[in-house]
Amino acid sequence: DIQMTQSPSSLSAFVGDRVTITCRASQGISNYLAWFQQKPGKAPKSLMYAASSLHSGVPSRFSGSGSGTDFTLTISSLQPEDFATYYCQQYDDYPLTFGGGTKVEI
Amino acid sequence: QVQLVQSGGGVVQPGRSLRLSCAASGFTFSTYAMHWVRQAPGKGLEWVALIYYDGSDKYYTDSVKGRFTISRDNSKNTLYLQMNSLRAEDTAVYYCARGLTQLVLDHWGQGTLVTVSS
Repeated sequence: DIQMTQSPSSLSAFVGDRVTITCRASQGISNYLAWFQQKPGKAPKSLMYAASSLHSGVPSRFSGSGSGTDFTLTISSLQPEDFATYYCQQYDDYPLTFGGGTKVEI
Repeated sequence: QVQLVQSGGGVVQPGRSLRLSCAASGFTFSTYAMHWVRQAPGKGLEWVALIYYDGSDKYYTDSVKGRFTISRDNSKNTLYLQMNSLRAEDTAVYYCARGLTQLVLDHWGQGTLVTVSS
């Protein structure tokens, strides 16, 4: 199975900060990488696919980059509603696998 | 708008069975692949299963192979997960999700809690 490793596992930030989360795959996955946001007690929300393509309705302050094994999710100016846990996920091979999550808190 | 409404969770004893349902609306269900993803209490997300738009192919994570069956009824716009021989480690919130393309998840159900306990 392809292992997905996220860092950091948690971070503290302020409203307005630029935040970057890293995701590393145990083998090359081209750009078959998605990002999700999850708030406590809620279903995940899909943010991005193909490493950098935003789903409909996702604010442009979210951006993604990377290819192969190393990927990043960037929030350009953190908003109060962005405090949540973020997960990366590869869909290059079965089983689909998720990173362990990054909790973004105040 | 796309809606996925789940039902069927609950408390079940180890070794018993449970069936989850996911009713879809707001899109042409029969043209999309569908997935199940689970999340154990306090843990991260784990992909469980995928079924193609027409049910012609199915994929599972190793830990549920031979015990869980994903299926769909396109005439009822409903996705199912039949879970047999349940174990304590299957305790989780189960989510259904639509495949925007085969493997890209876009819309999610609200989740349903399955607790396996004696």
